[in-house]
Amino acid sequence: AQSVTQLDSQVPVFEEAPVELRCNYSSSVSVYLFWYVQYPNQGLQLLLKYLSGSTLVKGINGFEAEFNKSQTSFHLRKPSVHISDTAEYFCAVSEKNTGNQFYFGTGTSLTVIP
Amino acid sequence: GAGVSQSPRYKVAKRGQDVALRCDPISGHVSLFWYQQALGQGPEFLTYFQNEAQLDKSGLPSDRFFAERPEGSVSTLKIQRTQQEDSAVYLCASSLVAGAKNIQYFGAGTRLSVL
Repeated sequence: AQSVTQLDSQVPVFEEAPVELRCNYSSSVSVYLFWYVQYPNQGLQLLLKYLSGSTLVKGINGFEAEFNKSQTSFHLRKPSVHISDTAEYFCAVSEKNTGNQFYFGTGTSLTVIP
Repeated sequence: GAGVSQSPRYKVAKRGQDVALRCDPISGHVSLFWYQQALGQGPEFLTYFQNEAQLDKSGLPSDRFFAERPEGSVSTLKIQRTQQEDSAVYLCASSLVAGAKNIQYFGAGTRLSVL
């Protein structure tokens, strides 16, 4: 089974500042990687995914993430955050050849301060 | 439908009561997943269906938990003799086809509180 670590449980950041949300996974097998966002009282919404190819992937709302195989990381970044980015962010991993389920991290609560 | 729909949105149960949580996946989606999200935690896998077949139920925490998808569309998660530790948000997700790389679309969840 996979273990997904999001080291930062809470990240406060000022509006228009850059932000990085960290995600590391434990893996001895090939994986697919995802970032989801959860707004209050809503379901999880996909931000972006890495399946193969270029290690830098771009998603919705100006977010991007970089897959680093040697460091088993998939950090999420945004160069300039908005108030509307305040939400919970989850990193998720699925194993390419062994199943369909997602393994989620514990989430990072991003608070954008005006 | 436009998205994954779950009902009820909120459920309060007395300890020992049975509950049933419903999930309407996106029309035509083959795969359906149930996850449990405890307060302050990420979602944890419970069970997976491909059409009507339950292919993986390794995440169900006890035999009090039961899920079905008899016609390969709507699914029901049933919890018998609820306990306080069952209090959580139960999320349903669906994906168009089977396979680990396919996007899972999530419903808003059912928040279960066991008193």
